[in-house]
Amino acid sequence: QVQLKESGPGLVQPSQTLSLTCTVSGFSLTSNSVHWVRQPPGKGLEWVGAIWSGGSTDYNSALKSRLSISRDTSKSQVFLKMNSLQTEDTAIYFCTSALGDYWGQGVMVTVSS
Amino acid sequence: DIQMTQSPSLLSASVGDRVTLSCKASQNIYKYLNWYQQKLGEAPKLLIYYTNSLQTGIPSRFSGSGSGTDYTLTISSLQPEDVATYFCQQYNSWRALTFGSGTKLEIK
Repeated sequence: QVQLKESGPGLVQPSQTLSLTCTVSGFSLTSNSVHWVRQPPGKGLEWVGAIWSGGSTDYNSALKSRLSISRDTSKSQVFLKMNSLQTEDTAIYFCTSALGDYWGQGVMVTVSS
Repeated sequence: DIQMTQSPSLLSASVGDRVTLSCKASQNIYKYLNWYQQKLGEAPKLLIYYTNSLQTGIPSRFSGSGSGTDYTLTISSLQPEDVATYFCQQYNSWRALTFGSGTKLEIK
């Protein structure tokens, strides 16, 4: 049974760095990619980036300069780090399987002082 | 990046109606299109993949069609539990996925 679960701080101060973890079960990170998607309150979905089964990454071009995605395959965890956070980064952050058939429940991140 | 435009942004229909939602890509996406349903407070759920393939467990009243730049999601007989926001997503450009802005579906 495939499951993904996001974790991280609910509140981040402006200009600080966001660190999120996606813990997966039921599939191997060396055989499957994991994507991050975010959704500002009351708005649509935005693809953030992905880490592929081989370990390479791709990022949304609008976020690329602030974003890093990595993983620890031994712990079945994927990490998202985004620096220089602004209020516009306030959103629910989801991790998903490559095909979009499995999603975590999401973690709400608020950027505020 | 490929832009995805959904219309209408808000749709109100009656139970039992046939409902059609549209999604237009800024370039040919060769049927690499998913449809998601998102209910309030929940994560998105995959309904349709590769334009017209029904995800396991999704009712057969949902169907997808299209090609090139123009795609549609059809609900053959609208049910109360179909109230949600629907998003399309292209994955032809698989290193830069993009979503449409969504269609909010309400019961009249």
